[in-house]
Amino acid sequence: DGGITQSPKYLFRKEGQNVTLSCEQNLNHDAMYWYRQDPGQGLRLIYYSQIVNDFQKGDIAEGYSVSREKKESFPLTVTSAQKNPTAFYLCASSSGGSNSPLHFGNGTRLTVT
Amino acid sequence: RKEVEQDPGPFNVPEGATVAFNCTYSNSASQSFFWYRQDCRKEPKLLMSVYSSGNEDGRFTAQLNRASQYISLLIRDSKLSDSATYLCVVNPNPNFNKFYFGSGTKLNVKP
Repeated sequence: DGGITQSPKYLFRKEGQNVTLSCEQNLNHDAMYWYRQDPGQGLRLIYYSQIVNDFQKGDIAEGYSVSREKKESFPLTVTSAQKNPTAFYLCASSSGGSNSPLHFGNGTRLTVT
Repeated sequence: RKEVEQDPGPFNVPEGATVAFNCTYSNSASQSFFWYRQDCRKEPKLLMSVYSSGNEDGRFTAQLNRASQYISLLIRDSKLSDSATYLCVVNPNPNFNKFYFGSGTKLNVKP
């Protein structure tokens, strides 16, 4: 079945450590996205990529980095510079075109102590 | 001003009730609109796209009002399983697939 896979589902890290969240899709979608969701809040865009080897900052990119070396993969690194990294991280993809919806992975819940 | 705004609720309704949510968007050039459903601690799932002429999927009806810049979702004959948070999603820029989410409207359907 086609879909988006995020791993791990739960991740625990100590403050000051960088951590990389995995996102893989086999939907052959060009566009991929990372969102962050805090309790009781909406989704906020961290980074997005329209095509391989290209990505753009979203609204809250500070303290995060991404790469898009392959169409299927869009890993997100949460660096030690991110002040409040504990959150629910959601990866999504879209086939492109203004009427194409987002398809989400099942998320990674990151806790930093 | 936020790109997309929703009433957070909660909307507490009995089974069988009809309930409607609205969502306003700030960019008049917005092209694409969607409703997603999100269950507690899960990822959002596409409920339906919203088309200019309005569209229906079973008990769910979506409408777009471009003049007033809002979209709506109507749920008829509410089921217990409809309890969730409903997210309004807008793509304001036709040249990029950059989506903005409302903070969601929580629906509780009671027996």
